[in-house]
Amino acid sequence: AQKVTQAQTEISVVEKEDVTLDCVYETRDTTYYLFWYKQPPSGELVFLIRRNSFDEQNEISGRYSWNFQKSTSSFNFTITASQVVDSAVYFCALSAITSYDKVIFGPGTSLSVIP
Amino acid sequence: EPEVTQTPSHQVTQMGQEVILRCVPISNHLYFYWYRQILGQKVEFLVSFYNNEISEKSEIFDDQFSVERPDGSNFTLKIRSTKLEDSAMYFCASKEGTLDEILAKNIQYFGAGTRLSVL
Repeated sequence: AQKVTQAQTEISVVEKEDVTLDCVYETRDTTYYLFWYKQPPSGELVFLIRRNSFDEQNEISGRYSWNFQKSTSSFNFTITASQVVDSAVYFCALSAITSYDKVIFGPGTSLSVIP
Repeated sequence: EPEVTQTPSHQVTQMGQEVILRCVPISNHLYFYWYRQILGQKVEFLVSFYNNEISEKSEIFDDQFSVERPDGSNFTLKIRSTKLEDSAMYFCASKEGTLDEILAKNIQYFGAGTRLSVL
């Protein structure tokens, strides 16, 4: 079975603080894809990043960075120097090769950035 | 940038009525999906559609639900007789077609969603 856990339900930070959103996944497949999506208050789902299971390189994109560690089945997301516009619900998601049609979402972490 | 378009943004209906939610996927994509998000909960897979047939569906996708690609651009979700518990945000998503693209990217792009309110 595949599962995504995001233990942090809600996080509040003050603007300009760094924040890390945790994600732990479970799958028996050796080939899989991990994603982060952002859902702002307007409700749409915005794709942020995709990682496949063979690529454990960390990635940085502006203020966003992702830390993929296969040994701990984690795919954490860090926002540095947070801004009010980062306030949203963030979903970690998994798609395994044996069921690549289906994206399994975690429960989401609601991030509030306070000015 | 190409995007998935969903209409309407908000649909209000009476219990027992039929509703059709519409989606226009990204034009060169060949895989289509519907997901559901009950308010405050996680996004749940409903169904995937490829080559004019359902490729996978969840236990949520019962006989009350159907999907169709009536023409070359639209992808619809029909709920035959709505129930109160069908109230949710419904997201359409699409993905590129070739196996190479799927293995290289496997990214589903989501629309802005249709909020369905069943009264």
